[in-house]
Amino acid sequence: RKEVEQDPGPFNVPEGATVAFNCTYSNSASQSFFWYRQDCRKEPKLLMSVYSSGNEDGRFTAQLNRASQYISLLIRDSKLSDSATYLCVVTNTGNQFYFGTGTSLTVIP
Amino acid sequence: SQTIHQWPATLVQPVGSPLSLECTVEGTSNPNLYWYRQAAGRGLQLLFYSVGIGQISSEVPQNLSASRPQDRQFILSSKKLLLSDSGFYLCAWSVRGGYEQYFGPGTRLTVT
Repeated sequence: RKEVEQDPGPFNVPEGATVAFNCTYSNSASQSFFWYRQDCRKEPKLLMSVYSSGNEDGRFTAQLNRASQYISLLIRDSKLSDSATYLCVVTNTGNQFYFGTGTSLTVIP
Repeated sequence: SQTIHQWPATLVQPVGSPLSLECTVEGTSNPNLYWYRQAAGRGLQLLFYSVGIGQISSEVPQNLSASRPQDRQFILSSKKLLLSDSGFYLCAWSVRGGYEQYFGPGTRLTVT
């Protein structure tokens, strides 16, 4: 079983829509969780950390569900510039990072 | 502010040739440093990480090696490249004890 699994998509949504991605992880001892954004042929960029209590940054909301072992990312009022691949990352000990293969999002005008 | 540099940006090398990729970080001290590889259509795979000068841990057995000759310099090497070494190589850093990683622009390697 993979450490981290994501639905690869693609998710094609119209501008202004709300879209949500989930990411499941297999190790219940996982400690820290992140969402990264990766544009085509570019490096991943940190979007947000995911805290146990959930956190929000503008149009982006991240949630952690430890009981079901998944994290989620919600994007409200989608913009064309949100089109990218979204990677979830899980770390266990701080030196073991597990990346999902990413979920592709295309926002359509 | 902190910046991370990688070079070269792209590289085409024949099978059996050596490899040296360099990564440097500015604006921070004692960072943790990481090398990842992203193959086409696959997730990032952690290759090496380092918590200090001369301290390298390998996550995946392979024909690659890493070195950290200075605090903010991380080098990825190979003596003989394989076709399967093709991919997008990314260097990243985090603060010591921190988990948020910041990536360099990457090197796209094609082994022919």
